[in-house]
Amino acid sequence: AQTVTQSQPEMSVQEAETVTLSCTYDTSENNYYLFWYKQPPSRQMILVIRQEAYKQQNATENRFSVNFQKAAKSFSLKISDSQLGDTAMYFCAFIYTSGNQFYFGTGTSLTVIP
Amino acid sequence: EPEVTQTPSHQVTQMGQEVILRCVPISNHLYFYWYRQILGQKVEFLVSFYNNEISEKSEIFDDQFSVERPDGSNFTLKIRSTKLEDSAMYFCASWRDRNQETQYFGPGTRLLVL
Repeated sequence: AQTVTQSQPEMSVQEAETVTLSCTYDTSENNYYLFWYKQPPSRQMILVIRQEAYKQQNATENRFSVNFQKAAKSFSLKISDSQLGDTAMYFCAFIYTSGNQFYFGTGTSLTVIP
Repeated sequence: EPEVTQTPSHQVTQMGQEVILRCVPISNHLYFYWYRQILGQKVEFLVSFYNNEISEKSEIFDDQFSVERPDGSNFTLKIRSTKLEDSAMYFCASWRDRNQETQYFGPGTRLLVL
C-alpha cells in the first residue's frame, strides 16, 4: 500500500531561521514524482517544489530545497530564511509517473514567528 | 494566473440530503479530480475524470458519489444521500496534460453533515 507519513503535525520557526519538515513514504515502484505543497489558510494548495525520483540531485527552488533519500524513502523540505508568508500547512505527496492520483501525507502546520 | 475555483466554500447539510459541490477547472485543462480530507487525516483521492468519463476511482467513491461535467466548464461532485462521515474538506483539481508539472488545486469546499 502507498503511504506518506509526515510525523510533525505542527512546527514553528523564528523569522529568518531555517526549518526542516520531514516526510517518509512507502512504495514498491521506482518511477514516481515527489512534491511539497503549501496551503495558506483558506487558500488552495500550491506547488512548492517537485522532485523526480530518477534524479539523484536534490531539487531547489529559491529558499526551498529538499533532501531526497530514495533508498530510505525520505523526502524532507528545508525552508531557509523563513518569512511570515511561509506560515501554512505543508503537504508531502507523490504520484506515479504513469498514475493519476496523488498520495498525500496528513500535513505539517508551520507557523513562522516574527 | 488562472486558478481552479470551487463553490460553495462551506456547506452544511442534514444527513440523507443530496449535495452538489461545484468546481471550475482551469479552462484548457483536460484531466479533473476530486479529493477529500477528513479533519485531521490525509488528503485522499476520490476520482479522476478524463474525456467525459471516469478514468479512475478509489474505494471511497461508491454508488453514493457521482461526477459530471455538464457544460464544458463546471465539474461537479454529487453525494446522493449524505452520511455523517462525509463531513470533510473536498478539493477539486485539474491538470492540463501529463507533461505539466503538477495538478492545480482549488481552495476546497468544507462540507458538514449534521
